Amino acid sequence: NAGVTQTPKFQVLKTGQSMTLQCAQDMNHEYMSWYRQDPGMGLRLIHYSVGAGITDQGEVPNGYNVSRSTTEDFPLRLLSAAPSQTSVYFCASSDLTDKQFFGPGTRLTVL
Amino acid sequence: DAKTTQPPSMDCAEGRAANLPCNHSTISGNEYVYWYRQIHSQGPQYIIHGLKNNETNEMASLIITEDRKSSTLILPHATLRDTAVYYCIVRPVSGGYQKVTFGTGTKLQVIP
Repeated sequence: NAGVTQTPKFQVLKTGQSMTLQCAQDMNHEYMSWYRQDPGMGLRLIHYSVGAGITDQGEVPNGYNVSRSTTEDFPLRLLSAAPSQTSVYFCASSDLTDKQFFGPGTRLTVL
Repeated sequence: DAKTTQPPSMDCAEGRAANLPCNHSTISGNEYVYWYRQIHSQGPQYIIHGLKNNETNEMASLIITEDRKSSTLILPHATLRDTAVYYCIVRPVSGGYQKVTFGTGTKLQVIP
């Protein structure tokens, strides 16, 4: 199993640009989530999904959209990038009652 | 939702046991204690979890006090590869991870 994969690994955007961070898992997990981690900080939950077609907001959802059309994929869209969205983004998946598996992260810089 | 308090940093000599404390005084009866670690800038890695009994696996042991207000993660023989940030989190038995808060954790430095 590949586990949780994320693409791209690095990305530089200009203010106002949009992009999609990809996340996929091959463990048939129902629960997936997106976090951001700013320098020296812990992880903050952006959005999560408890199954295909079901998404909800986390702690810091503004400026981000998600969708869950399949169990495997959970893309995160930045609608209009801002410098405040410069961060490392982690995707994770889990069973509802089990441990989380995290991807390797996407390092995003917004100029 | 219960929050956790951890010391910001700790040192441990290589080969010795590393004991990482966590305070979760507002934990409720239906919340697990989970431990994760993050090595350098990689994604966090699950270590262990427990509800009220002590737990042990191939990576670590988890000791939860009888009142469940605090816990200790024990790495029995720390190696340089255990240098990482360790996060103690509390998660409801039901409801998934949407109510989980990852704080700033404890930065463990294993010293040769």
